Amino acid sequence: DIVMTQSPDSLAVSLGERATINCKSSQSVLYSSNNKNYLAWYQQKPGQPPKLLIYWASTRESGVPDRFSGSGSGTDFTLTISSLQAEDVAVYYCQQYYSTPYMYTFGQGTKLEIK
Amino acid sequence: QVQLQESGPGLVKPSGTLSLTCAVSGGSISSSNWWSWVRQPPGKGLEWIGEIYHSGSTNYNPSLKSRVTISVDKSKNQFSLKLSSVTAADTAVYYCARVPYFGVVIINAFDIWGQGTMVTVSS
Repeated sequence: DIVMTQSPDSLAVSLGERATINCKSSQSVLYSSNNKNYLAWYQQKPGQPPKLLIYWASTRESGVPDRFSGSGSGTDFTLTISSLQAEDVAVYYCQQYYSTPYMYTFGQGTKLEIK
Repeated sequence: QVQLQESGPGLVKPSGTLSLTCAVSGGSISSSNWWSWVRQPPGKGLEWIGEIYHSGSTNYNPSLKSRVTISVDKSKNQFSLKLSSVTAADTAVYYCARVPYFGVVIINAFDIWGQGTMVTVSS
């Protein structure tokens, strides 16, 4: 089975500071056919569905503030919030797509709080 | 703007079948998107259940495949989930979600989600 491991499980960052969340896949999610990494990031606030922030590892979804950025390739990825705002308190999930077997898998989540 | 809305019973008996429907509004279910189900047990993470295209093609999570059926009703602009032989482990918030194409390339991420519906498996 493909496993997505996020680190840390929880994180406390001061307002205005940088927050970094890591995601590691047990198999590469880079597709040589189109050179795309099928890795996405979501933000979930209590009582709400997840919100797509980043897809293809680094493409920001329309309307997402530019303080959110994604990087990485192959098996190791990072979500960075450049300057933490109060409204960024949430649980963040990474998600990968793998074609064989056809599967979407989520990381276990990282809880981000204000220090 | 496309919106998704889940509906169905909030309580299902053990060994029974969970049945949910996702209504698509603001767009056609026959557009170039895959339509998925994702669930989240209370206080836990997300699990993909499966997806369907308007043609009827499906993909399922291998761990749930033997119990899952996803179908589409283009006349009603909706798609449905059936999960059989449920146990307490199937208690979760069930979300429907969309996987869109960006041009001719599928993004393989979920860009629109319903609000979710809580389903409890209990006698």
